[in-house]
Amino acid sequence: EAEVAQSPRYKITEKSQAVAFWCDPISGHATLYWYRQILGQGPELLVQFQDESVVDDSQLPKDRFSAERLKGVDSTLKIQPAELGDSAMYLCASSTTSGGSTDTQYFGPGTRLTVL
Amino acid sequence: RKEVEQDPGPFNVPEGATVAFNCTYSNSASQSFFWYRQDCRKEPKLLMSVYSSGNEDGRFTAQLNRASQYISLLIRDSKLSDSATYLCVVMAGGYNKLIFGAGTRLAVHP
Repeated sequence: EAEVAQSPRYKITEKSQAVAFWCDPISGHATLYWYRQILGQGPELLVQFQDESVVDDSQLPKDRFSAERLKGVDSTLKIQPAELGDSAMYLCASSTTSGGSTDTQYFGPGTRLTVL
Repeated sequence: RKEVEQDPGPFNVPEGATVAFNCTYSNSASQSFFWYRQDCRKEPKLLMSVYSSGNEDGRFTAQLNRASQYISLLIRDSKLSDSATYLCVVMAGGYNKLIFGAGTRLAVHP
């Protein structure tokens, strides 16, 4: 069964450092999502791509977070500089077409970030 | 007010029990509804979609009441393997954004 791949699985960094997370969606999935899940809360959408274009980044803290999906396949999420409050699980998900109501989002295993 | 609200639990139940989770949502324009399951330190996985007519998948039954903006999940004959966090999810917005509740934790004990 095809899966969403993410790396690294765990990342420990000091505040003010830069971190980057990588996601490879299921082959053929046009829509890619980055979520942040703080302990004890549900996932919150940070950014949504349709192919290589950003269609929703309303919850992305753009002063320190950036995301790209240059060729419309894999994607990178970057934080610079990291802050203590960024400690969370960063989840990538993908779905088949345009994120329609019948398209299931499949999640990757996540990257657990700890900022010291 | 949160867009999707759930009782955080935990619900501690014995094997074989029936347990029900409730969820309310604030956006009346929400289009689709789901329950996801999340095991400890794992990613969320789709458990089932929720339809106005109600739907059942084995021991799991989901119900939607659009007028009350209320969603429920019923688990019958609980198994140890049902122990997890259950996330109520609503789809809304122009790009079909998923909005997650904080989750309800279920612990099934022998």
